[in-house]
Amino acid sequence: QVQLVQSGAEVKKPGASVKVSCKASGYTFTSYYMHWVRQAPGQGLEWMGIINPYGGGSTSYAEKFQGRVTMTRDTSTSTVYMELSSLRSEDTAVYYCARGTRDGYNYRTDYWGQGTLVTVSS
Amino acid sequence: DIQMTQSPSSLSASVGDRVTITCRASQGISNYLAWFQQKPGKAPKSLIYAASSLQSGVPSEFSGSGSGTDFTLTISSLQPEDFATYYCQQYNSYPITFGQGTRLEIK
Repeated sequence: QVQLVQSGAEVKKPGASVKVSCKASGYTFTSYYMHWVRQAPGQGLEWMGIINPYGGGSTSYAEKFQGRVTMTRDTSTSTVYMELSSLRSEDTAVYYCARGTRDGYNYRTDYWGQGTLVTVSS
Repeated sequence: DIQMTQSPSSLSASVGDRVTITCRASQGISNYLAWFQQKPGKAPKSLIYAASSLQSGVPSEFSGSGSGTDFTLTISSLQPEDFATYYCQQYNSYPITFGQGTRLEIK
């Protein structure tokens, strides 16, 4: 069965960086994209970007996060990573990875990780 | 960016009721529309994709319809486990965007 297992909660100081991992199992890792979505406390869902684990690991990021976010993958361990730098208090949120399944020319989210709480506090 | 507007923002209903949630896109998105259910402290769960296709394992009480800019999610007969927050999502173009959510509460 498809499983996405994310790394544990993090507490970071403003200005620091955080790197969250998402380990995939139960399917062919390089055949599906991976999205990252975050949710601030009590708020809605916000898409951050997407990575193609196949080949060179191409990415597409939401403009809001351009320059601060980096998504990478390790095909040997079927793991994708999301690193967010220059953290500020507004980045306190639960970060989710979600598998991207092709639908025509687009990629919908189907299976989701359990989420990783990142707290930014001085 | 494509704005997704859900209505209502919250809804009170009883077990056995039929409920409908609507989602409007600020521009046409064909049928690249998904619906998710989220319970407190849990990850979103996929219900519907391509506007009307039921995700594997989702009960048939859930259905979706629409195309272009206007979409609906219908729950034909509410079960106790259906009380949650529901989100629509467009994946027609980047950035992918979500509706603000509809909180479905027990009356």
